[in-house]
Amino acid sequence: GAGVSQSPSNKVTEKGKDVELRCDPISGHTALYWYRQSLGQGLEFLIYFQGNSAPDKSGLPSDRFSAERTGGSVSTLTIQRTQQEDSAVYLCASSPGLLTDTQYFGPGTRLTVL
Amino acid sequence: DQQVKQNSPSLSVQEGRISILNCDYTNSMFDYFLWYKKYPAEGPTFLISISSIKDKNEDGRFTVFLNKSAKHLSLHIVPSQPGDSAVYFCAAISSNAGNMLTFGGGTRLMVKP
Repeated sequence: GAGVSQSPSNKVTEKGKDVELRCDPISGHTALYWYRQSLGQGLEFLIYFQGNSAPDKSGLPSDRFSAERTGGSVSTLTIQRTQQEDSAVYLCASSPGLLTDTQYFGPGTRLTVL
Repeated sequence: DQQVKQNSPSLSVQEGRISILNCDYTNSMFDYFLWYKKYPAEGPTFLISISSIKDKNEDGRFTVFLNKSAKHLSLHIVPSQPGDSAVYFCAAISSNAGNMLTFGGGTRLMVKP
């Protein structure tokens, strides 16, 4: 079956603009996760959804970042007033349920802020 | 302060030999640990996990060892193959806290033919 998909695969934007990243999880997976990998850095956990609810938003780097999930499926990560330090690969993953389930990752969106 | 650390940024191993990737953590609330493999331009792939009630979990060529008293886990790959060359991340969860997955910085493994 289809895996996790993300769009766009690449996004180049100017500093100060807003961007929206999209994640389509595996059908039936109730848990969805967003991560960020900056150049030369490890994976940084941002936020997870159980259904449409995000129990903990403290992993988001700043209040310019927000995420939502509707219908228990597609999720969008929005970055407002982008900064150069936001440049990174943003990865989405989904799992059947709990955090300890295997997470299946999408290919990521490479964001470049000029 | 990093709660999960992989102190070796890279490791080079000859094909057929054992690869040992190490991971240390500081948060005693972590009770579940996972290893992921990541190839360039791809998302991470789950490899193997271990619960804190165990000290070893084996899956084919991959074995994860957990030493709770030392807050240390390791991933052993035997025998190593060139296709194993990738970046390996360890990650930890505190399921009681219902909280985030915390990743280490990754170790780049290079298996030479």
